[in-house]
Amino acid sequence: EAQVTQNPRYLITVTGKKLTVTCSQNMNHEYMSWYRQDPGLGLRQIYYSMNVEVTDKGDVPEGYKVSRKEKRNFPLILESPSPNQTSLYFCASSAAKQETQYFGPGTRLLVL
Amino acid sequence: AQSVTQPDIHITVSEGASLELRCNYSYGATPYLFWYVQSPGQGLQLLLKYFSGDTLVQGIKGFEAEFKRSQSSFNLRKPSVHWSDAAEYFCAVGRVYGGSQGNLIFGKGTKLSVKP
Repeated sequence: EAQVTQNPRYLITVTGKKLTVTCSQNMNHEYMSWYRQDPGLGLRQIYYSMNVEVTDKGDVPEGYKVSRKEKRNFPLILESPSPNQTSLYFCASSAAKQETQYFGPGTRLLVL
Repeated sequence: AQSVTQPDIHITVSEGASLELRCNYSYGATPYLFWYVQSPGQGLQLLLKYFSGDTLVQGIKGFEAEFKRSQSSFNLRKPSVHWSDAAEYFCAVGRVYGGSQGNLIFGKGTKLSVKP
């Protein structure tokens, strides 16, 4: 089954404790993105990647890192989480150009 | 800069009534437009998309949307709403980066409630 998976689905952590949210897709898509969803703000793009080793900032990249060492994986790294990063995070993937984005189930993060 | 506006934050309709959710975008050329739905506690599911061609697009679950260039709109419609349609709906436009369009700019969403 074609899908985007994220882990963990729920995470509670404390300020400053590094964490990684994994994202994996099995559709051989070139494009992958991370979004955060906050009430009243919709979804905002954090980072995106157009292919292996090619990443760039989205609209709200501060406090986040990403890497794309393999085509299928696109982990989101919070080196020093802060409470304002409490949010619902979505990973998405799409084939190159003009294609629909497929979303993962989301990761709900609470930073205390 | 590209942007998407969904003017209605929350809409309530009665079951069986018709529905129209509004979406306006700003972009000079023909955009790539999408509607996604997010049920409570779920991820986002694509309802329909417009890339080119016929301006009336049919999607899943009985939804349709019409692209109107003159009004910069891409409104979502359904003739008869079911209780299971209660969800949050997001309009999105494909972002343009040097010609590639693999990323989305989302509106802030419209929450739909359905009265029995």
